[in-house]
Amino acid sequence: GQSLEQPSEVTAVEGAIVQINCTYQTSGFYGLSWYQQHDGGAPTFLSYNALDGLEETGRFSSFLSRSDSYGYLLLQELQMKDSASYFCAVRAQISSGSARQLTFGSGTQLTVLP
Amino acid sequence: DAGVTQSPTHLIKTRGQHVTLRCSPISGHKSVSWYQQVLGQGPQFIFQYYEKEERGRGNFPDRFSARQFPNYSSELNVNALLLGDSALYLCASSPWRDQETQYFGPGTRLLVL
Repeated sequence: GQSLEQPSEVTAVEGAIVQINCTYQTSGFYGLSWYQQHDGGAPTFLSYNALDGLEETGRFSSFLSRSDSYGYLLLQELQMKDSASYFCAVRAQISSGSARQLTFGSGTQLTVLP
Repeated sequence: DAGVTQSPTHLIKTRGQHVTLRCSPISGHKSVSWYQQVLGQGPQFIFQYYEKEERGRGNFPDRFSARQFPNYSSELNVNALLLGDSALYLCASSPWRDQETQYFGPGTRLLVL
């Protein structure tokens, strides 16, 4: 089966840097995605890593180590509007001929304090 | 450009009833996926449809079914509703079958009493 683990809650202050870790177990792995979801809102795509290394998009960066089945999302210069749930999700092909499916972790609730 | 739209936004049903949820993808997107999100959990994959054919199915009972229409819109049907089916049902679209980025709609919040 598939499993993902990420911390349930993280708290930080405005302007700080926070790292949200994600470890996963899956077969047919293609890549690791990160999504942000504000309360009452839809998940929105943040980043996708298919290869080892760091991907940077503005204040957000995402890292993947395929050999360690590990990734993280790094949020810099935190702002109040960054308070939300952050989900890691593995993209994997579960069975031959099927499309690659997205399996989400349980999410990390980030609270940014003034 | 319009994003993914879903209807209805909220729905209340009783146990044993049937429900149909609707999704219109972003214009030009041919792939539609359905997810169930229970409060406090991440979205759980139910189905993916691409070019009107089922391309993937998650670990959900046969009470759950879906279809995709020639205009790429989609319906999710759930029969014999259980209390545990209460959740936010999310639809996501993408241009191609294996596109990494999924664009989510606002969801339909279903409450089963």
